[in-house]
Amino acid sequence: DQQVKQNSPSLSVQEGRISILNCDYTNSMFDYFLWYKKYPAEGPTFLISISSIKDKNEDGRFTVFLNKSAKHLSLHIVPSQPGDSAVYFCAAVAGAFGGTSYGKLTFGQGTILTVHP
Amino acid sequence: DVKVTQSSRYLVKRTGEKVFLECVQDMDHENMFWYRQDPGLGLRLIYFSYDVKMKEKGDIPEGYSVSREKKERFSLILESASTNQTSMYLCAIKKGRAYSNQPQHFGDGTRLSIL
Repeated sequence: DQQVKQNSPSLSVQEGRISILNCDYTNSMFDYFLWYKKYPAEGPTFLISISSIKDKNEDGRFTVFLNKSAKHLSLHIVPSQPGDSAVYFCAAVAGAFGGTSYGKLTFGQGTILTVHP
Repeated sequence: DVKVTQSSRYLVKRTGEKVFLECVQDMDHENMFWYRQDPGLGLRLIYFSYDVKMKEKGDIPEGYSVSREKKERFSLILESASTNQTSMYLCAIKKGRAYSNQPQHFGDGTRLSIL
């Protein structure tokens, strides 16, 4: 059962435009969400996170939006740059503010972003 | 900078061999994790540890065991390697209490091939 889904396997965007990566989840116990970027032959790099008490978090060119009622989050990259081309994973944690999840991350399948010059 | 070192980038082993993957951190973080990454499946948690000598099963622990004798080192063991364990293995660390609101930081991975 895939609790975190990234339904778009790939996304192609022109340099300078906005990239929007989407993620849906089914587990209502998830309360902390993260985005990671991964280049080939490297480990995932943490990008940005958001807790369930917020609906938006911004860090430079990266903004994450959370819609709890729709169980949907998105990552916006503005403006997109060729160096942003990578695989993007969303991940979720249940019980980040307590409980017994031990902060376990549940990942989506990833979306390959290609930014064309 | 967060430093997570995995002992090998590429490893080739034979079916039935006992395989050790090592992960070392220099951040003094309490929590360490082992994941495997397969195409179309994202990252899946194998085991994690929230303290020395403590371990918890993740989502796919079958065929694996772990060891954490020192805080900075977390080992993943394939007791008898099989071809379906060919994968990219990633180690991660996290600061603070196990359920704290902190990101995990990853090493560069070990690409393991079982022939």
